[in-house]
Amino acid sequence: GAGVSQSPRYKVTKRGQDVTLRCDPISSHATLYWYQQALGQGPEFLTYFNYEAQPDKSGLPSDRFSAERPEGSISTLTIQRTEQRDSAMYRCASSLARAGVQFFGPGTRLTVL
Amino acid sequence: KNEVEQSPQNLTAQEGEFITINCSYSVGISALHWLQQHPGGGIVSLFMLSSGKKKHGRLIATINIQEKHSSLHITASHPRDSAVYICAVGRTNFGNEKLTFGTGTRLTIIP
Repeated sequence: GAGVSQSPRYKVTKRGQDVTLRCDPISSHATLYWYQQALGQGPEFLTYFNYEAQPDKSGLPSDRFSAERPEGSISTLTIQRTEQRDSAMYRCASSLARAGVQFFGPGTRLTVL
Repeated sequence: KNEVEQSPQNLTAQEGEFITINCSYSVGISALHWLQQHPGGGIVSLFMLSSGKKKHGRLIATINIQEKHSSLHITASHPRDSAVYICAVGRTNFGNEKLTFGTGTRLTIIP
């Protein structure tokens, strides 16, 4: 695609529900990143993929968070049993190669009530 | 103390002024990124650099590895430059894929 897209753009859910966020990277990009951004703060690294491999998931806050990229293209971030503290903007980015310039998606604003 | 610190946190200037935003870091890095977050929330990568200086249009980024410091300069500033500018570093022990971000500098350019 022309850019990185994410869906949904906004998600409101109740505490305890599971949510799945989707990222569609630029089609030629090997590396995909997930970030969490609290209001007024800079993004924080969650995890990244190189094709379908997930070399680093050290930034995932708890085992309620998981990410997949099974075919090396589209990725999903799933948060199980959501909590209010999970409310944030979740951003996806992709780069042509590892450690390259990153292109960011518009983000998914998650609100947990 | 944050590993990546930016100054100032907020900057208001008149159109046409020369703008400098600073970033200091306390860890070993493989590369430093400057990003622009638009008022609508989108993030755009401006520069990735590991030494010296890069220029793109009215934007200039410099880095001093020995002093662990980078600056982003905007010449002939314009109201459309109003945004949050974020510095991020790829740390040498963690791989450049895992970026550590500063909290950003909010720039407002008044016509």
